[in-house]
Order: sequence, then structure tokens, then C-alpha cells
Amino acid sequence: QKEVEQNSGPLSVPEGAIASLNCTYSDRGSQSFFWYRQYSGKSPELIMSIYSNGDKEDGRFTAQLNKASQYVSLLIRDSQPSDSATYLCAVSPYNQGGKLIFGQGTELSVKP
Amino acid sequence: NAGVTQTPKFQVLKTGQSMTLQCAQDMNHNSMYWYRQDPGMGLRLIYYSASEGTTDKGEVPNGYNVSRLNKREFSLRLESAAPSQTSVYFCASSEVTPSRGYTFGSGTRLTVV
Repeated sequence: QKEVEQNSGPLSVPEGAIASLNCTYSDRGSQSFFWYRQYSGKSPELIMSIYSNGDKEDGRFTAQLNKASQYVSLLIRDSQPSDSATYLCAVSPYNQGGKLIFGQGTELSVKP
Repeated sequence: NAGVTQTPKFQVLKTGQSMTLQCAQDMNHNSMYWYRQDPGMGLRLIYYSASEGTTDKGEVPNGYNVSRLNKREFSLRLESAAPSQTSVYFCASSEVTPSRGYTFGSGTRLTVV
């Protein structure tokens, strides 16, 4: 079992729809969770972080964390073509000195 | 602009050649990391340095060495390049506990022929 798993996609949604990206992780002691966006040929950029169970909203983005079920999700409301990118889930396992373990990424395509 | 600077951006090596990838950050971060990214594999940790003077192996360290030259600089060396090391390499830095996540460099696209 991979430590951090994501559906590789591609996930295709129409412009204006809600895109839902999911991630599961294996280390129950994980403390911190991140979502990165990566455009083709570019480096990852941090868009959301979440540490506590529940929802965290930032503009059109909402991160959701459920530690009991070991999953974290990212919702993108009012999706735009500019949101088309690969989204990487990253988890900071317990007591591993700040290392991040990344999922393989989900490719999102928003169609006009 | 503040951030993480990687050099070179592109490199082609022949099998058996050596090279060093350079990384420098100006954010006064303690921790630095080297990842490689291959299609369908996500980002895999090669080596990391939690603080100046310390380095540790990550998930895929074989064939690589690192040096934490000072707080700002963290280099990755390929002593004898192999085609399996063809990849995109990213350097990143963070505070000791990455509560704000990592800041990534722009990447080095390496091809070994």
C-alpha cells in the first residue's frame, strides 16, 4: 500500500462546476496535510494546508480532513480553465522531521 | 525575489558522467530537500537536510550524494549517471516543521543517454 494515494485521473469537469479531489494516507499519526498545484512544466505551489479535522476554506478552495477515515480532499468551486493542472496531496508523517510524502497527483482538466 | 534557486535548468549527460545540481535558498529556512519526479510516480524524496550539518536518506537515495554546504545551499551529486536517473529534480526548503509547506525551486530536467 502506498503511503499517500490519489486517483491519477484525468478528472474532467465543465467550467463553473465543483471539482472534487481525494487523497488517502496510511500513517494514522500524520499531523499536517497539504495540497499543491502543479502546472505542466512548472514546480509545485502550495495552495492549501490543513491540520485539524473538518473544513478549511480559502476563496474557491476548501480542504476537508477526516483523520478517523484517513482521507483529505480538496474542493474547487466555480472551476475555471486556469485551474487545469495536476494537484498533489502531501502528508507529513508523525515524527519524521518534517518530511512530506506526496501522492502521485490527480490531473484536473476544466473544459470551457 | 526571495525563494529557492536551482541550477542548471536543463542538462544532458552521457551514462557514467558525473554532475552536481546546485540549490540555494534565501528564506533562512533550516530544512532542505531533494525530490525527483517521474511520470505517474509523484515526487519521491532522495535526500533531505533537517538543519545545517545534517543529511539523511529519503525513499530513493541510491546513486546520489548530497552536501549541505551551509544554511543556504544544498547540492545533489550524481557520481556515475545512469539512464534510470533521467528525471525532473526539485529542490525545496521549509521551516523545521513545515507548517507553511515547502517552497520549491523551478526544477532541473536531466536526461541521461
